[in-house]
Parts: sequence; structure tokens; C-alpha cells
Amino acid sequence: QSALTQPASVSGSPGQSITISCTGTGSDVGGYNYVSWYQQHPGKAPKLMIYEVTNRPSGVSNRFSGSKSGNTASLTISGLQAEDEAHYYCSSYTRSPPLGVVFGGGTKLTVL
Amino acid sequence: QVQLVQSGADVKKPGASVKVSCKASGYTFTSYGLHWVRQAPGQGLEWMGWINVGNGDTNYSPKFQGRVTISRDTSATRGYMEVNMDLSSLTSQDTAVYYCAREGASGYDFEYWGQGTLVTVSS
Repeated sequence: QSALTQPASVSGSPGQSITISCTGTGSDVGGYNYVSWYQQHPGKAPKLMIYEVTNRPSGVSNRFSGSKSGNTASLTISGLQAEDEAHYYCSSYTRSPPLGVVFGGGTKLTVL
Repeated sequence: QVQLVQSGADVKKPGASVKVSCKASGYTFTSYGLHWVRQAPGQGLEWMGWINVGNGDTNYSPKFQGRVTISRDTSATRGYMEVNMDLSSLTSQDTAVYYCAREGASGYDFEYWGQGTLVTVSS
């Protein structure tokens, strides 16, 4: 299983919007609508932000949105806030092996 | 509310095994699968495997197949993940935080997470 590809880092100023990409293949991101996004602050467990490409769990701000085109999924954060500074990871179901999950390498978001 | 509480930090020598537990509460334990994810220091998340808590079926990442055993005790509402440390390595490659995570709506997302268990491998 190869990890999904994410940029190592992105940055933005408060109030701006940023987008984090997550590139896989037709065996994972492109083949299924089972892409999720997680936010992780230092020393904390990850938190689910987006599931099934576009859905937000209850309690997650609507400033977070997800999308997918072909083999690339994206997480967009609008109206950046200082507390958004964290690592973000994408994940996807993969058919190799069956019922498997693969993560992206993670992206560090810096709020300038 | 849903809670996953993991066992405490542990230190092991290379060649030993370690078993991490995950106590679930606040939901019907047998209705949701349980995944295990690890994170080496300063590194990203790595999926290890999954158990269908209802029937005990398991599936493992190829990297961990044969080295990891995931199990559960439905009467105790606990999940377990046992790792056999890599005998061929004298480094600390298995030193990591190990997380249990309950599946969410899709089955392939992780809606609730344990607090993590740091396992340190050191000779």
C-alpha cells in the first residue's frame, strides 16, 4: 500500500482560504467515495473533519469542506483562524488489500 | 457519550511483544468496527488493521500481517492489539503511539479515537 500524496506544508493568513490536496489512484481515492480528512494538534489524537468526501460530522465548522475530482481529493478551509493551525491527514478506502485504509503523509497548516 | 480509553504507556525490549487494550463505552460495542492506527514520533498516521467487533473478522495492512493480532472481548467491551516486535531490527522502528479508533458512518472513517498509547522499544 502506497501512502496518498499530500503537500508537506501549506500556509495562509487569518481570514483567507486554503486548500490541501490528496492524490491517490483509481484503486483508492478515484475509485470510491470513502475519503476522510483528519485534523491533529500536537500531542492530541486526530479528529474527524470530513467523511465520504464531502460530509461533515456533527459539530465540525462549516468552514471545512471537501471535494474530489478524479484521483485527487481536496480539503478547503475558509476564513482561516489561528486554531486551525495543525496537521491534516487524508485517508481513503483501498481495494488492496480488501477493506483496507490508506493515509496520506500529512500536511502541516501554518496560520501566519 | 462515546469514549475509547486505552491502556497506559509501555516500554519493551526488541523481540518482546506488547498488547494494547481499548475500553469502549457509550455505544453498542458490537455494532461498530474497531481500527488500529499507529504514529511513529514526528511521523504520519499508518493504518494497521481492523476488526468486525460483531463477528470477530479481521483484516490487516500487508505491512503488519503476521506481526499484529487484533482481537476483542465483547463481554468486557474491549478491543486489543498485540504487536510482536521486529526481531531483525535493533532500532526503535516500532516505537510509536498506537491508537484505537471506532469506525463511523462509512465504515472506513474513524469517528472516535482513543487517547493513544505510547509504546517505546529500547534495549
